[in-house]
Amino acid sequence: AQSVTQPDIHITVSEGASLELRCNYSYGATPYLFWYVQSPGQGLQLLLKYFSGDTLVQGIKGFEAEFKRSQSSFNLRKPSVHWSDAAEYFCAVVGVNFGNEKLTFGTGTRLTIIP
Amino acid sequence: ETGVTQTPRHLVMGMTNKKSLKCEQHLGHNAMYWYKQSAKKPLELMFVYSLEERVENNSVPSRFSPECPNSSHLFLHLHTLQPEDSALYLCASSQDRQVPGNTIYFGEGSWLTVV
Repeated sequence: AQSVTQPDIHITVSEGASLELRCNYSYGATPYLFWYVQSPGQGLQLLLKYFSGDTLVQGIKGFEAEFKRSQSSFNLRKPSVHWSDAAEYFCAVVGVNFGNEKLTFGTGTRLTIIP
Repeated sequence: ETGVTQTPRHLVMGMTNKKSLKCEQHLGHNAMYWYKQSAKKPLELMFVYSLEERVENNSVPSRFSPECPNSSHLFLHLHTLQPEDSALYLCASSQDRQVPGNTIYFGEGSWLTVV
């Protein structure tokens, strides 16, 4: 079964600084990978997804993520964070297993932005 | 606005009450989901409906009873809940259940507090 690990529970960065949130997955074949963001009191919003092709994917709000098969990673990056980026970020994986699709989430990384 | 609307946004209920959570999707999707989000735990998939038929029940206690009268509406009926059931309940939808890597769109969630 697939699994997702987000090793950082909480990250604090200064506004304007760069950001990298880590995500490692475990799956026997090529996974489909997602990053979602959850602002306080809100549902989850899709930031970006990787299905195939270019391993560097661009998302909304200036985020990007890079799929590295050799490291089983799908880290999320942003060159310069804004105060509005403070939220919880979830990495998710779905296995390519027809008839038994399951989107598995990590436990999330809470991002705090300081002035 | 994700196209998935949940009501109520907040609900406080006693352990002997009966209440329902409602979800409506305006995306023309065929699959709908209920997830439970508790503090410090990954999102838990509770139920999956595909074309109004329940296709997955992840060992959810019977005090949670889903209903999908049509492909646009999903309910979660609640009765005799426990305080540990207090959580954010997220409804979601996707175009199809069986196509791998379908993007899942989430509602803003219903905050449930059981007293």
